[in-house]
Amino acid sequence: EVQLVESGGDVVKPGGSLRLSCAASGFTFSNARMSWIRQAPGKGLEWVGRIKTKAEGGTTDYAAPVKGRFTISRDDSKDTLYLQMNSLKIEDTAVYYCAKYRDDYWGQGTLVTVSS
Amino acid sequence: QAVVTQEPSLTVSPGGTVTLTCDSSTGAVTSGHYPYWFQQKPGQAPRTLIYDTSNKHSWTPARFSGSLLGGKPALTLSGARPEDEAVYYCSLWSGGVVVFGGGTRLTVL
Repeated sequence: EVQLVESGGDVVKPGGSLRLSCAASGFTFSNARMSWIRQAPGKGLEWVGRIKTKAEGGTTDYAAPVKGRFTISRDDSKDTLYLQMNSLKIEDTAVYYCAKYRDDYWGQGTLVTVSS
Repeated sequence: QAVVTQEPSLTVSPGGTVTLTCDSSTGAVTSGHYPYWFQQKPGQAPRTLIYDTSNKHSWTPARFSGSLLGGKPALTLSGARPEDEAVYYCSLWSGGVVVFGGGTRLTVL
């Protein structure tokens, strides 16, 4: 059974940092391009970014609102995806999902609240 | 970066047919934009309904189909059921990033 389990969501002040994790199981994580997608309260889905496999160079792409502040990384030895979020803004408040959405693999999401 | 627009809301009668569309501000969409369709019900994570314009997952009900209509990705629901009431999002690969539409709230009534 495929599972993606996010963790690390918390309440953080503007300008602060947070790291989210996504533990994967049930599929070959090292062969998977992985994405982060977020959803602000009561709003639609927003793509955050993605990371390719190590075999593809492990390169990353980011949406404009987070580029330069967020970093996606992966540890294939731990089957874990990460999202390092720096210089957080109030508008980053959202549920963050990790996903391999081409295969319909989604986590349950973790809530990040940025508030003073 | 493209702006992707969807109908904010649509209503379909049980057993009826409805088509949702996805419009890109950069012009006609092709299969090279890798259109996706997602379904999200209240309090749940999204699910991927259609990928690469028209491909379905094993769980995708046969009454859903994806296509390109006049340069726009389209999701057609034929034979709507009450459990199809949800928000539907499309996404496109454009300019090196993925862009989601704002979602269509589909009511089955």
